[in-house]
Amino acid sequence: DGGITQSPKYLFRKEGQNVTLSCEQNLNHDAMYWYRQDPGQGLRLIYYSQIVNDFQKGDIAEGYSVSREKKESFPLTVTSAQKNPTAFYLCASRKQGAVEAFFGQGTRLTVV
Amino acid sequence: DQQVKQNSPSLSVQEGRISILNCDYTNSMFDYFLWYKKYPAEGPTFLISISSIKDKNEDGRFTVFLNKSAKHLSLHIVPSQPGDSAVYFCAARSGGTSYGKLTFGQGTILTVHP
Repeated sequence: DGGITQSPKYLFRKEGQNVTLSCEQNLNHDAMYWYRQDPGQGLRLIYYSQIVNDFQKGDIAEGYSVSREKKESFPLTVTSAQKNPTAFYLCASRKQGAVEAFFGQGTRLTVV
Repeated sequence: DQQVKQNSPSLSVQEGRISILNCDYTNSMFDYFLWYKKYPAEGPTFLISISSIKDKNEDGRFTVFLNKSAKHLSLHIVPSQPGDSAVYFCAARSGGTSYGKLTFGQGTILTVHP
């Protein structure tokens, strides 16, 4: 089945630790995105990538880092510099020329 | 600065009636507008989109209307069904077909009562 897989679904980390969220897609989509959802704030764009080895900061990139070494993979690292890392993280991908992006099932990160 | 706004946090509708969800935007450079549906702890699911050069797009029970002069769009669901109960996000695209950045509103919780 084609789709976007985010893992794990739930993740717990201690404050001060870096953590990497996985996002893999087998849709052969070119563009990939990371969003963060907080209650009452909708989805906010963290990073996005159009092609391999290229990515741009979104609206709330501080405290996050990404890589795009392969077309199908776009991992997100939440660093200790991120002030409020507890949130629901969503990865999406989009086919070149298409309007809509398709989302994964999300990872809920809780930092204690 | 919130470029896409959904001013109604929630909407409650009786089954069979019309649901109207609203969205306002400020950026005239958005070229497409989209609606997504989201259940708790899941990713959003694409519903329908509309180009900025159109004023209406219809897909089954879902119709999106765009009023460019007012910078306003709305999603009509007719007839509403209990399974439509979810959070609805409007989104606007910038960056064209190359980057396709989506800016989302805050979401509206729709509850359809049987």
